[in-house]
Amino acid sequence: QVQLVESGGGVVQPGRSLRLSCAASGFTFSSHAMHWVRQAPGKGLQWVAVISHDGNNDYYADSVKGRFTISRDNSENTLYLQMKSLRAEDTAVYHCAKRTLYTEALDVWGQGTMVTVSS
Amino acid sequence: SYWLTQPPSVSVAPGQTASLTCGGNNVGGKSVHWYQQKPGQAPVLVIYDDSGRPSGIPERFSGSNSGNTATLTISRVEAGDEADYYCHVWDSVSDHVVFGGGTKLTVL
Repeated sequence: QVQLVESGGGVVQPGRSLRLSCAASGFTFSSHAMHWVRQAPGKGLQWVAVISHDGNNDYYADSVKGRFTISRDNSENTLYLQMKSLRAEDTAVYHCAKRTLYTEALDVWGQGTMVTVSS
Repeated sequence: SYWLTQPPSVSVAPGQTASLTCGGNNVGGKSVHWYQQKPGQAPVLVIYDDSGRPSGIPERFSGSNSGNTATLTISRVEAGDEADYYCHVWDSVSDHVVFGGGTKLTVL
C-alpha cells in the first residue's frame, strides 16, 4: 500500500543540526512532488518546504529559508530534510506528504517524526 | 503574503449539517483543499480542488469555493467527524503553500 515513513527526529540543542528522512513505498516516487509540513505541539499545520518530482526545484517557508534544505533520492525512494541552526520554535512533529499528480493537494501523509529543540 | 482565515471552532449536533469556512482574498480564484486531522493522527485529504472527493471519503463531505470564501460542508454529521479541519491553497505569487489556522469541529 502507499506509505510514507519518517525517521530521524529526536532531541537536539539549539544551534545544532538534524536530518530527517522519509521512506516512500507503494507508488512511483519519482513522479510526485513532495512536501514537508510541521505541527508544533497544540498548534496547526505549518508548511515547511516542497521539492519537485525531479529535485530540480524547491521552495521554502520564510521561517526556514536559509537554514533548511529539502532533497530527494529517487533511486532510493527517499525524501530528506536537512535542518541547521535549529531554534526552539522549530520544535514540532514533521510530516512528509505526497502531492497528487495533477493537483496541489497532498493525498498521502506520513505519521510524522518529533523534533525537540531544547538545551 | 497570502492568508487563510478559519473560525477556531464549530459545534454541531449529530445528524445536522456543519459548514466550515475558509476565507481569503479572492480565494475563489484558487484551488482549495481540505484535510481532516484527528488527535494523534496524520491529516487526511477529504476534499481537493474545491469540491473533489478522494476515494474512500463519504459523500457527506462536500466543498464549494466562490469569491472570498471556501466552504467544507459535512452533512448528517456523526460523532466520528469530530476533528480539526484545515484548508490549504498554493500561492503562486510567493510559491508557498498556505494553510488556514484550522477549525475544531465538535459534535455535541
